[in-house]
Amino acid sequence: GAGVSQSPSNKVTEKGKDVELRCDPISGHTALYWYRQSLGQGLEFLIYFQGNSAPDKSGLPSDRFSAERTGGSVSTLTIQRTQQEDSAVYLCASSLSSTGSYEQYFGPGTRLTVT
Amino acid sequence: AQSVTQLGSHVSVSEGALVLLRCNYSSSVPPYLFWYVQYPNQGLQLLLKYTSAATLVKGINGFEAEFKKSETSFHLTKPSAHMSDAAEYFCAVSRGTALIFGKGTTLSVSS
Repeated sequence: GAGVSQSPSNKVTEKGKDVELRCDPISGHTALYWYRQSLGQGLEFLIYFQGNSAPDKSGLPSDRFSAERTGGSVSTLTIQRTQQEDSAVYLCASSLSSTGSYEQYFGPGTRLTVT
Repeated sequence: AQSVTQLGSHVSVSEGALVLLRCNYSSSVPPYLFWYVQYPNQGLQLLLKYTSAATLVKGINGFEAEFKKSETSFHLTKPSAHMSDAAEYFCAVSRGTALIFGKGTTLSVSS
């Protein structure tokens, strides 16, 4: 079956511009996660959605970052007024449930470069 | 708070040699532990997971890991390395929802 898909695969943007990153989770997965992978910080949790519950935004690094999940499926991560330190690979994952034992399936990521 | 420490950012082995990648965790409650592998320009793929059913966990591609509560460790092993095992490996602990990852270990395999 189809896995987690992300678009675009690569994004180059100028400092100060806004960007939107998209994630299509596996059908039927109620939990969706965003992570950021960078050389300096490794893999960091950003935000998590479970069904219709309020998202856990505890990992978002600043108020320039936001995310939404429409209809319990597709999610968009938005970064406003991008900075060079936002350059990283943004990974999306989904799982059947948010219970900690469930495997998270990862997408291929979006590589964001801020010039 | 949960955390994960991976000892050694880079491990080099010869083809056919034992692979040992070290992971120690810190958790105030019985943890769920995972090993993921990442090949260049790809997302993360689950190798195996510990969910308290058995302390020795077997995963894909011949990898296994043993949960040792007394040592707070969850080291990943493979008896015989293959060239295709060259990748970056991440140990992770679940905090109940999101995963907390270690810094990763890059495995190089030489012929």
